[in-house]
Amino acid sequence: DQQVKQNSPSLSVQEGRISILNCDYTNSMFDYFLWYKKYPAEGPTFLISISSIKDKNEDGRFTVFLNKSAKHLSLHIVPSQPGDSAVYFCAASAFGRGSQGNLIFGKGTKLSVKP
Amino acid sequence: GAGVSQSPSNKVTEKGKDVELRCDPISGHTALYWYRQSLGQGLEFLIYFQGNSAPDKSGLPSDRFSAERTGGSVSTLTIQRTQQEDSAVYLCASSLAGRSSYNEQFFGPGTRLTVL
Repeated sequence: DQQVKQNSPSLSVQEGRISILNCDYTNSMFDYFLWYKKYPAEGPTFLISISSIKDKNEDGRFTVFLNKSAKHLSLHIVPSQPGDSAVYFCAASAFGRGSQGNLIFGKGTKLSVKP
Repeated sequence: GAGVSQSPSNKVTEKGKDVELRCDPISGHTALYWYRQSLGQGLEFLIYFQGNSAPDKSGLPSDRFSAERTGGSVSTLTIQRTQQEDSAVYLCASSLAGRSSYNEQFFGPGTRLTVL
């Protein structure tokens, strides 16, 4: 049973427009959420995170929104650039809840930003 | 470079053979993690080392999988009697300290294992 779901395997966006990547989770114990970006033949790199005590975190062109009641988070990239083309993984953990704190990853969404 | 390195980058083996995958974490990082990513799947946690503590092996899929971390640095993931379903990209990550929201995990490029 998948605890972290990314239901869109791929997304195509025009350069300069907004990219919205979605992620749903089922475990209400999760209290920390992260987005990782992965280029081919490279390991994932950390992009942005959000604690469950917040509903928004912004870092430059990247903003993550958290809706705890819906168990949903999204990553907004604006404006999108061709270099943003990569696979984006959503991950969640229960770091503050006395759990083992393992990251649980979604299957990823492949973003293509077209010039 | 100062990042996490893994070797080999690609490994092709025959079913039933044993394989060893190596991870060199970032110098000074006390925590080390192994994950695997099967085709079309997300990253799946395998095992976690932190300092001198007993490793968290809760993610290992079977007793054919084992890992060691010698001297608190380099780690080797061993898969015995490989099966075709073991084919995946095996990723290693390290962090400065243990699992928490303050300790970013830095990933290596992975080893792509193909079991024929």
